[in-house]
Amino acid sequence: SQQGEEDPQALSIQEGENATMNCSYKTSINNLQWYRQNSGRGLVHLILIRSNEREKHSGRLRVTLDTSKKSSSLLITASRAADTASYFCATDNNYGQNFVFGPGTRLSVLP
Amino acid sequence: DSGVTQTPKHLITATGQRVTLRCSPRSGDLSVYWYQQSLDQGLQFLIQYYNGEERAKGNILERFSAQQFPDLHSELNLSSLELGDSALYFCASSHSGGTQPQHFGDGTRLSIL
Repeated sequence: SQQGEEDPQALSIQEGENATMNCSYKTSINNLQWYRQNSGRGLVHLILIRSNEREKHSGRLRVTLDTSKKSSSLLITASRAADTASYFCATDNNYGQNFVFGPGTRLSVLP
Repeated sequence: DSGVTQTPKHLITATGQRVTLRCSPRSGDLSVYWYQQSLDQGLQFLIQYYNGEERAKGNILERFSAQQFPDLHSELNLSSLELGDSALYFCASSHSGGTQPQHFGDGTRLSIL
């Protein structure tokens, strides 16, 4: 079964708008990561947030983590057409050895 | 460019056959991961190697096997192929495993006819 589940499954917005994706997970984690995948390509690491962190920024990306609710959100501000991709959250297992990826959110940014 | 190289990019074969997928990790990375991505199963972790040793095992079928060689490149062997094995197979690498970010190759698209 999936550890992380992204929500929504698909999101369509206009260029310049903000996009918010959510990730919920089931068991305790050491950290959570967000990845982007362009169609037919490999995943690209975006940001890692540790369990003792609440918020992290990287350029136009803002990630929050709420361990009490077992959830994380990824905010992309001022979206661009190039942000069109699938976004995945990944959590580690109890031994921190590998990552379990959710099914992803497909983001479409319309020009 | 992630620095992770996977070959071949595409592979078409028939049921019952055996194939080998190859991965060269990013320079300096000791850990290699294999994933299978299909439409119905999403991205599934198969197996991880660290410096030549198996580190963690995921949803890898008994028909599949992998190894990491002394030069740190890795191979994923898939045998007795079935139609359901059609998928994108990704290799990723990280410096030392654990919870570090992984760097993904562009995958091998395997089609079983």
